[in-house]
Amino acid sequence: GAVVSQHPSWVICKSGTSVKIECRSLDFQATTMFWYRQFPKQSLMLMATSNEGSKATYEQGVEKDKFLINHASLTLSTLTVTSAHPEDSSFYICSARSPGTGGVGVYEQYFGPGTRLTVT
Amino acid sequence: GQQVMQIPQYQHVQEGEDFTTYCNSSTTLSNIQWYKQRPGGHPVFLIQLVKSGEVKKQKRLTFQFGEAKKNSSLHITATQTTDVGTYFCAGPGRGSTLGRLYFGRGTQLTVWP
Repeated sequence: GAVVSQHPSWVICKSGTSVKIECRSLDFQATTMFWYRQFPKQSLMLMATSNEGSKATYEQGVEKDKFLINHASLTLSTLTVTSAHPEDSSFYICSARSPGTGGVGVYEQYFGPGTRLTVT
Repeated sequence: GQQVMQIPQYQHVQEGEDFTTYCNSSTTLSNIQWYKQRPGGHPVFLIQLVKSGEVKKQKRLTFQFGEAKKNSSLHITATQTTDVGTYFCAGPGRGSTLGRLYFGRGTQLTVWP
């Protein structure tokens, strides 16, 4: 099956610094990747849709200047948390969309292992 | 975005008992997907349902998609400790959000031996 990697798996940073998280599709090309965040014992909240070669599309309430997304190639998307604060501490997960078998517009998503960010 | 409701939030069962989680949308879904997330892990795709009234089985897991394509269920027969985790349903966006997935809050399954 499709494999998505994410780096780093965990990071601790000081308040005010920036952190970059990488998401790679290893064995397929992903024109679209997604970034989610997940708080403990809660669901995945879609933050943004990352489109190769164009600007990301952010969900309502997500600050695009704080969560910078770059999708420079068909296999790599990055999320940079700028000027991180303790409330940004969370589990960030990326996913890549792979063509499914259900027909037009039906795609399953393959998730990376996640990055646990702790801001002190 | 698309709202997908899922119940129950938690389910504790003894090994061998059955388990069911339900998913409901206020709008018709083109498809619905199910994912499993083990404790400390990431979501793993289980299955997608597309057709009205569709039923699919994976060993002890049975997935159903409602006739109106607004609800879905996952039923596990004779649970095992390996079934522990959180099960999420996810529905696709529509229109300008087509291609995105919106997750239910998940059902956390605990199985004790």
